[in-house]
Parts: sequence; structure tokens; C-alpha cells
Amino acid sequence: DADVTQTPRNRITKTGKRIMLECSQTKGHDRMYWYRQDPGLGLRLIYYSFDVKDINKGEISDGYSVSRQAQAKFSLSLESAIPNQTALYFCATSERLPSGQFKETQYFGPGTRLLVL
Amino acid sequence: AQTVTQSQPEMSVQEAETVTLSCTYDTSESDYYLFWYKQPPSRQMILVIRQEAYKQQNATENRFSVNFQKAAKSFSLKISDSQLGDAAMYFCAYRSALLSNFGNEKLTFGTGTRLTIIP
Repeated sequence: DADVTQTPRNRITKTGKRIMLECSQTKGHDRMYWYRQDPGLGLRLIYYSFDVKDINKGEISDGYSVSRQAQAKFSLSLESAIPNQTALYFCATSERLPSGQFKETQYFGPGTRLLVL
Repeated sequence: AQTVTQSQPEMSVQEAETVTLSCTYDTSESDYYLFWYKQPPSRQMILVIRQEAYKQQNATENRFSVNFQKAAKSFSLKISDSQLGDAAMYFCAYRSALLSNFGNEKLTFGTGTRLTIIP
């Protein structure tokens, strides 16, 4: 079974609709991230969470919100979808070491392809 | 802010041959991590290899190795004995080691290089 799962894998929605993308992980990692991938631009960070009580904005958070329902679940919402939010969305996790530091490597889910019409 | 540049949008290599993908980055920091991720048609982002900036020795993982030139801010990926399964987009990424600084959580990605393997 995959360590980081995302649902749905593909979604088509209309402008103005609210949608939620979900991410679950079985790796037991504390930190979770949402990235967006656009053609020719690589991946950009939307939000990240250190733990259930700690949410932080990334570089492109406008138009998005997140919820960390549990250590293993991190959801991304588009309150009112617009066409330029059409992209591939990735969830990722990273691990806290016993020392309290975090390992630098991030592990990615399979991605959700979103099309906003 | 850090930037990562991959100047080769596409590369191709004959099966069983060796190919090198280029990556340069810009940073004022002295301590950081560099990564190569592979994205096959399945869209999954798969970690290929990582390098700690404080280590002079180049990282290797089986057929994958890097040439890390810190002074030149260069981080190329060499794939030896290329296989059909190596066909994918390859992304170079940077992450600061200064975890206490806000905003250093993110990976900064290049725009990717599409690698085609010719049978």
C-alpha cells in the first residue's frame, strides 16, 4: 500500500465551485505539505503543517485553505475555484527525528490532477 | 531567494548509454540540501538521490550519481546504463538547512528535464 495517498486522483469542476483535495499518510510523519505543479514552472509550495495545531502559508496560498484534521490527514480546499487553479496538486510529508529535528527529505503522494472549467 | 535552473528541457539517450542532466542553483546560504526527483508518466514524484552541501563526497545510488560542485553551484545527475524505465521528467530541487527560518520548509524546484530513452 502507498505511504502517501491522495483523493481524488482526477477532478473536473466549474468556476466558483468549492472543492476539497485530501491527503492521507501512513508514514507517521509530522510535517505535511501541499504543492502545485504547473507546466514549465516546477512545483510551488501552497501550505505546510508542522503538526495538527500548526499551519503555515507557503509562497502561493491565495485562493486556498487547508485543514489538518489529524496527524495523518491534511486537506486542501479551493473555496471558489477559478480556471488558473487548473494544475497538478501534490501532497508531501517529512519526518521528525527523535532529536526534534526534521529530516530534509520530502515524500510525495501520487498527485491530483484538477481541471477548472 | 533561492532559484534552481535546469537549462535542458529535453534530453535523450540510447538504452544502456550514460546521460548527464544539468542543474545550477543560486543561493547565499552555505548549508543546504539538493535533490533529484523523478516523475514518470504515472505522475508520482520519486526521490532519486540527495546531497548534503557540507559533504564533499558526491552521492551515489546504484546507477545514479551526482557531480556536486559547490563553488560553481552546480549539481548534475549522471545516469549510467540507461534503462527504459528511466524515461521520465527529472526535477532538481533545493532546500535550506536553516530550519529555524520561516519559509525554509519548502523545496525549490527547477522546471524539469524530460528524459527519453531510445531502445
